[in-house]
Amino acid sequence: GDSVTQTEGLVTLTKGLPVMLNCTYQTTYSPFLFWYVQHLNEAPKLLLKSSTDNKRTEHQGFYATLHKSSSSFHLQKSSVQLSDSALYFCALNPGGYKVVFGSGTRLLVSP
Amino acid sequence: NSKVIQTPRYLVKGQGQKAKMRCIPEKGHPVVFWYQQNKNNEFKFLINFQNQEVLQQIDMTEKRFSAECPSNSPCSLEIQSSEAGDSALYLCASSLSGTNTEVFFGKGTRLTVV
Repeated sequence: GDSVTQTEGLVTLTKGLPVMLNCTYQTTYSPFLFWYVQHLNEAPKLLLKSSTDNKRTEHQGFYATLHKSSSSFHLQKSSVQLSDSALYFCALNPGGYKVVFGSGTRLLVSP
Repeated sequence: NSKVIQTPRYLVKGQGQKAKMRCIPEKGHPVVFWYQQNKNNEFKFLINFQNQEVLQQIDMTEKRFSAECPSNSPCSLEIQSSEAGDSALYLCASSLSGTNTEVFFGKGTRLTVV
């Protein structure tokens, strides 16, 4: 079946450092991948999306590239800020009115 | 700001009581999803609709949970007889279509079953 794997449950970093949150997926359909960010007591919000192989997509300093050959869509940022502390979810829409979410990665940024 | 409106934000029920929550999807979005987010922040799909029709639902939803999306009224999710394990954040999301498009979430209803 369709699935999304996020290997890190918690990532802690000092502000100004780079970050990469891992996301791999499995599907037999054409993948449409998303990253959502959820701050405390807020709705999950779309951060990035892509269905184009090997094309980098960017938003608010975050970027990710969909690599179909490795079934990956890792989220990166070159310099994290305190305000980036949140839950990050990778999600897959394989079509058919389904959206499959990964287990989430909590990013904690310290001063 | 989220354009999917969920009410109430917080709900406290005793075991065996009914718990009902509502969702107004973003205007023009015919597809609505309900997810349960547990204390480990994991998303569990419950049910989805296109307009008023149920598309998919899991077994749990078929037994104790009921949901509807009537025309010109908020969508709703109701637990007929709440259990402690139902304590979670219930997230409603909507989208333009169910395929190759993102979903937009509300802030959720946090249900606590005591």
